[in-house]
Amino acid sequence: GEEVAQTPKHLVRGEGQKAKLYCAPIKGHSYVFWYQQVLKNEFKFLISFQNENVFDETGMPKERFSAKCLPNSPCSLEIQATKLEDSAVYFCASSQYDRGYEQYFGPGTRLTVT
Amino acid sequence: AQSVTQPDIHITVSEGASLELRCNYSYGATPYLFWYVQSPGQGLQLLLKYFSGDTLVQGIKGFEAEFKRSQSSFNLRKPSVHWSDAAEYFCAVWGTYKYIFGTGTRLKVLA
Repeated sequence: GEEVAQTPKHLVRGEGQKAKLYCAPIKGHSYVFWYQQVLKNEFKFLISFQNENVFDETGMPKERFSAKCLPNSPCSLEIQATKLEDSAVYFCASSQYDRGYEQYFGPGTRLTVT
Repeated sequence: AQSVTQPDIHITVSEGASLELRCNYSYGATPYLFWYVQSPGQGLQLLLKYFSGDTLVQGIKGFEAEFKRSQSSFNLRKPSVHWSDAAEYFCAVWGTYKYIFGTGTRLKVLA
């Protein structure tokens, strides 16, 4: 498609539950990025993929967060045993292979941990 | 270290007035710079970008920004603000294969 799609729009989880977010990048885009926006301001980079390969995961809290981008499937971001501090809006962005710096953002998934 | 600073957390302007949102960056090489707007409950929309060349760049919705290397700045401007411009504005620099965002400036427009 011509837009980055993210599902679900909203997700509510009790503390300790698992959360899984999905992202469908723009068709033809090879890079996928995940960002976490906390409290309507700070964007934190989490992870990026080049096709199905992890490109940069320096922002990922690895003990509870994991992500995948498999061929012919939406990319996913999974949080095991969610904590209150994971409440945020998670944005996915995609870009073309040779212009990684031009990212197109999805509408985000708002995760609320109660 | 690579960073972006937006000194103004909130700005309030009257409709029809001019606007300038400040952005300062710290980056070792020639930066790729961006301004995004986020309306309430919405994702990020790219307003404009600077890669090279003319230091005054035009964007959508009547916005422009000027890259000043000597001041490490990339300020966003609009000559006449409309009520629909009320939103959160984010400046970003392309860092090491990822965006580095500022903390945003919330714009309020008075009728």
